[in-house]
Amino acid sequence: DARVTQTPRHKVTEMGQEVTMRCQPILGHNTVFWYRQTMMQGLELLAYFRNRAPLDDSGMPKDRFSAEMPDATLATLKIQPSEPRDSAVYFCASGLVQGTGHSDMFLNTEAFFGQGTRLTVV
Amino acid sequence: AQSVAQPEDQVNVAEGNPLTVKCTYSVSGNPYLFWYVQYPNRGLQFLLKYITGDNLVKGSYGFEAEFNKSQTSFHLKKPSALVSDSALYFCAVREVPTGRRALTFGSGTRLQVQP
Repeated sequence: DARVTQTPRHKVTEMGQEVTMRCQPILGHNTVFWYRQTMMQGLELLAYFRNRAPLDDSGMPKDRFSAEMPDATLATLKIQPSEPRDSAVYFCASGLVQGTGHSDMFLNTEAFFGQGTRLTVV
Repeated sequence: AQSVAQPEDQVNVAEGNPLTVKCTYSVSGNPYLFWYVQYPNRGLQFLLKYITGDNLVKGSYGFEAEFNKSQTSFHLKKPSALVSDSALYFCAVREVPTGRRALTFGSGTRLQVQP
């Protein structure tokens, strides 16, 4: 049963520490999304990769957040230094984009979500 | 810009009764529309999507949704609610073809089905 795997499931860390969250997308999927869920803001898109290249990271605070895909089986989201306001559930999702071109005209597939990493920064 | 609104924070319904969870969207072009469900301490699970074709879309667990272009709505429905349907439901939209690449989610609606 193919699924998106996120680690760790829970992370408690002190303010100022580095946090790395990992995601293994579904094999064969060529798109990866990072979302953050909080009570106040709901689900916010942080970053979006296609074929391992970042296409949209406008929702991500650039000074402390970074997202990478070292290879097709691993996506990472790093926060350095972490702050209490970063406390949230971070979801990774993967999908398969069909079609070509800058406009991504065929991005109509559903995204498959992992179970999330619950981050608490104290 | 694409956006989606879920006007109800919570919907309460008795088991066996029909349920509706409302969603309206705003896009400049044509929309792709999705419904996801989130159970406690879990990620989002895909329920159904509207891409093109019939306005009534059937999805998982007996859910369906009706796309109404004139009202820019995509309400989620089920003829007979189950207690196990109690969860958080998210509507999402993507604008075709020039909108933001990723899905934009609504704020979510908590569905509570009473026995």
